[in-house]
Amino acid sequence: AQTVTQSQPEMSVQEAETVTLSCTYDTSESDYYLFWYKQPPSRQMILVIRQEAYKQQNATENRFSVNFQKAAKSFSLKISDSQLGDAAMYFCALAGSSNTGKLIFGQGTTLQVKP
Amino acid sequence: EAQVTQNPRYLITVTGKKLTVTCSQNMNHEYMSWYRQDPGLGLRQIYYSMNVEVTDKGDVPEGYKVSRKEKRNFPLILESPSPNQTSLYFCASSLTSYSVYGYTFGSGTRLTVV
Repeated sequence: AQTVTQSQPEMSVQEAETVTLSCTYDTSESDYYLFWYKQPPSRQMILVIRQEAYKQQNATENRFSVNFQKAAKSFSLKISDSQLGDAAMYFCALAGSSNTGKLIFGQGTTLQVKP
Repeated sequence: EAQVTQNPRYLITVTGKKLTVTCSQNMNHEYMSWYRQDPGLGLRQIYYSMNVEVTDKGDVPEGYKVSRKEKRNFPLILESPSPNQTSLYFCASSLTSYSVYGYTFGSGTRLTVV
């Protein structure tokens, strides 16, 4: 079975500071994708960043970057220069190549940004 | 605008009264899926569809039905809702079942069953 675990239910960060959200996963597949989704109070699910497992280079999207440790099955999200608009729930998700298209989600981490 | 349209946004109903949550996408996506989101559990897949007339159960299918008669539409049907189906529901679609672009999500339906 494939699993995704986010062990931090809540995190907080000061505006303009950097914060890292943790995610670990388990899969027996060699080909998979990892995602971070943001869910603000509007409830909309917004794709923040994606990582292809075969790529060694960590993905980066503006202030968002990941630390992908394939051997350790770890996929953390770093948010630099945090802004008030980053306050949201963040979900880590895994898509396996043989998993019927199912995205497996972690439990979510609620990020609070303090002014 | 490319999007997944989900309705209604909020719904309060009584136990046993059949309801349908609609979902439509305008991106010609093959793959569509329904999820429910519950506190502490993340999102869990209810049903999915690989293409027209091809549907299958996800992890939590009990009490739900779906159909895919047209490529763009994938309604979720609760024939006899119960209070344990009170949840936040999302419809999602993707170009194929395994896509580096992930899913496009609808805006969610907050369902309360009393």
